[in-house]
Amino acid sequence: AQSVSQHNHHVILSEAASLELGCNYSYGGTVNLFWYVQYPGQHLQLLLKYFSGDPLVKGIKGFEAEFIKSKFSFNLRKPSVQWSDTAEYFCAVILRGSSNTGKLIFGQGTTLQVKP
Amino acid sequence: KAGVTQTPRYLIKTRGQQVTLSCSPISGHRSVSWYQQTPGQGLQFLFEYFSETQRNKGNFPGRFSGRQFSNSRSEMNVSTLELGDSALYLCASSLGGWQTNQPQHFGDGTRLSIL
Repeated sequence: AQSVSQHNHHVILSEAASLELGCNYSYGGTVNLFWYVQYPGQHLQLLLKYFSGDPLVKGIKGFEAEFIKSKFSFNLRKPSVQWSDTAEYFCAVILRGSSNTGKLIFGQGTTLQVKP
Repeated sequence: KAGVTQTPRYLIKTRGQQVTLSCSPISGHRSVSWYQQTPGQGLQFLFEYFSETQRNKGNFPGRFSGRQFSNSRSEMNVSTLELGDSALYLCASSLGGWQTNQPQHFGDGTRLSIL
């Protein structure tokens, strides 16, 4: 079965530190990739997405992610985190193909705590 | 533009009862997906509806069902509730069609507690 793995369950950083959250998926076919963020008390919001083209994608709030096809990875990065980045981050994959419409497969999530 | 609206926000039910949750997608979005979020299992796909038809289904028992109306609003029903059904139920909408590269936009969810 297809799955998505997020290696870090809980990350604690100080403000201005750099962030990298790992995400790997297990599927040999073509995928579309997403990172979502859930701030405390808010709904899931799309941070960034990758469909095709440049494997380095930029999202909102200074986040970026790099798709490495050979490693089945889509890691999220931010050069300098802020206290307001404290949230839960979810990596998600949707498999290409008409039989997979609407079916996001999520990782378990990573809780990021940024200390002021 | 209004976001995805889910009602009610909170529900408390007892075992054996049934429950109906509602989701209004973003205007113009025709695809609605439902997810169950629990601490142990994370976010799991329940089903997806497009143009009043279920196009995709996850690995949940038949007690979980849904439907979509002509205005794209969707309802999810859970019958014979079990303690393990306690969860946050999320609805997400997207433009739809046969493309899988359209991002889904999520609602705030309905928190269902089973006593």
